[in-house]
Amino acid sequence: GAVVSQHPSWVICKSGTSVKIECRSLDFQATTMFWYRQFPKQSLMLMATSNEGSKATYEQGVEKDKFLINHASLTLSTLTVTSAHPEDSSFYICSAREVGLASSEQYFGPGTRLTVT
Amino acid sequence: GQNIDQPTEMTATEGAIVQINCTYQTSGFNGLFWYQQHAGEAPTFLSYNVLDGLEEKGRFSSFLSRSKGYSYLLLKELQMKDSASYLCAVLDSNYQLIWGAGTKLIIKP
Repeated sequence: GAVVSQHPSWVICKSGTSVKIECRSLDFQATTMFWYRQFPKQSLMLMATSNEGSKATYEQGVEKDKFLINHASLTLSTLTVTSAHPEDSSFYICSAREVGLASSEQYFGPGTRLTVT
Repeated sequence: GQNIDQPTEMTATEGAIVQINCTYQTSGFNGLFWYQQHAGEAPTFLSYNVLDGLEEKGRFSSFLSRSKGYSYLLLKELQMKDSASYLCAVLDSNYQLIWGAGTKLIIKP
């Protein structure tokens, strides 16, 4: 089956620093990757949709200058949380949709737990 | 606006059957997904329905009625490991997933 990896799986950083999270589709090409954030006991919240070779589309209320997304290839998207603050502490999950299959399921990465101190 | 409703929490007994309902109102419809999510982990795919009817996959079945904007996930022969949150999500006309808040299922011995 399709596998999506994320790195790192958890990270602790100090307030004001930046953190980069990688999302890779290991055995398929992903035209579109999605970045979600999930706070404890809440559902997934879509942050942005990342399309290979173009700018990401951010959801309302998500600061594009704070959450930088790069989708440089069909197998890699990165999310950089810039100038992180404690309120950015959350579980960040990426998912990927296979090329040419708009209606197919999204394959989820294992998630990255970010703690900002 | 777009809306997906599912119960917040349900409790069931090991070995029993439980049905988790999901109703939706979305701009367009290109399928409905059910995902299972254990605490601290990412969601895992359970089922996808795009046509009306029942899809059976082992102990899990999913039903869809597009005219009623309704789906349910049926879990049979419940096991303790089925304790998790179950997320209903609809693919709208823009092929964007609209997520429900999830149903926390608690299994008791």
